[in-house]
Amino acid sequence: DTEVTQTPKHLVMGMTNKKSLKCEQHMGHRAMYWYKQKAKKPPELMFVYSYEKLSINESVPSRFSPECPNSSLLNLHLHALQPEDSALYLCASSQGTASGRNEQFFGPGTRLTVL
Amino acid sequence: GESVGLHLPTLSVQEGDNSIINCAYSNSASDYFIWYKQESGKGPQFIIDIRSNMDKRQGQRVTVLLNKTVKHLSLQIAATQPGDSAVYFCAENLRTGGSYIPTFGRGTSLIVHP
Repeated sequence: DTEVTQTPKHLVMGMTNKKSLKCEQHMGHRAMYWYKQKAKKPPELMFVYSYEKLSINESVPSRFSPECPNSSLLNLHLHALQPEDSALYLCASSQGTASGRNEQFFGPGTRLTVL
Repeated sequence: GESVGLHLPTLSVQEGDNSIINCAYSNSASDYFIWYKQESGKGPQFIIDIRSNMDKRQGQRVTVLLNKTVKHLSLQIAATQPGDSAVYFCAENLRTGGSYIPTFGRGTSLIVHP
């Protein structure tokens, strides 16, 4: 199984809502990532988890809160978002981050719209 | 600013032609360079990578060329097919705090006309 799954595919939320994005992989990968992608732009790294520990936070606002319950799951909790947070949120996984050759496997993304 | 960039935001080709997508990078310390393909409604998909000690690597219908002298990377797609229509990103693996993290360039939209 070389698939990364993400739920939901689409999410519309108000600025006062609390929601969560979910990501799952069963490839035994020990690194998992959250990216934000705006239309016609490259993915921007938000968070990296390595061996279930947060290793990189790219100065992401606290209204985004990641969580890695186990090595197969990655969540992104959303609270008090702004309309400019509307984007495609991509999850990825890789075997690790210690090697320069770390091929990332991406999920299809969650299309988030904040009203 | 970005350390990885692309020269052409859109490339249109006829089916059967060869396509060349270019990428410039600025960090001479990067160890690996990766090309990803992103189709509409999907996440990026790994195509091919190349290590910094190589100058050419071939895959199935794709070839990546690396010119470290001018910090330039290219992806060549032979006999381009309509299914190759997508946005192509180059990425360089930068070592950040002990971890290698890909940094994506701007992307080139490849449009293949039948």
